[in-house]
Amino acid sequence: DVKVTQSSRYLVKRTGEKVFLECVQDMDHENMFWYRQDPGLGLRLIYFSYDVKMKEKGDIPEGYSVSREKKERFSLILESASTNQTSMYLCASSNDRSGLSEAFFGQGTRLTVV
Amino acid sequence: SQKIEQNSEALNIQEGKTATLTCNYTNYSPAYLQWYRQDPGRGPVFLLLIRENEKEKRKERLKVTFDTTLKQSLFHITASQPADSATYLCALDLTGGGNKLTFGTGTQLKVEL
Repeated sequence: DVKVTQSSRYLVKRTGEKVFLECVQDMDHENMFWYRQDPGLGLRLIYFSYDVKMKEKGDIPEGYSVSREKKERFSLILESASTNQTSMYLCASSNDRSGLSEAFFGQGTRLTVV
Repeated sequence: SQKIEQNSEALNIQEGKTATLTCNYTNYSPAYLQWYRQDPGRGPVFLLLIRENEKEKRKERLKVTFDTTLKQSLFHITASQPADSATYLCALDLTGGGNKLTFGTGTQLKVEL
């Protein structure tokens, strides 16, 4: 089975800290995605990547950056955490760009910025 | 703007009945639509994908329909069980490629004994 693993289930950080959220997938998938999920707003795409060292902005990239140095790992970086970045963060991967492949999600990281 | 709408009100049904959830979208003609299940505190899990040229897709007790004229998908769970209680999300690639999914906000289903 495909496994997408996020480094932390729960995280508490202070305002202004630089925060790293790590995601690793074990099925050699090309595509990786970072979403955040907030009540009433659903999942919103932050950044995505189709290849190593490649990244593209999603719908809400402000305040975030990403890194993909290896195919299996996709990191989300909050450059200077703010309270409005308190959210559930979900990483996903998929096999191809045709659109006909399912997305596999990690278990999520609930980040609280205080 | 592109939009995906799911009923935000929870759907409560009795065990054994058929649950029907709705996903409506506007301003786009997607080539496919996906449905996911999400349990509290966990990531979504893929259930079904239906293509624009498929009217209906089935998997065990699940059935999905896709009406591209109405811009609507219906998700049915027959013989529902308490274990089916979860939030169900529909997702579309609104950009025409690349598998960048846009999700609806989901509908919470509660199956009662």
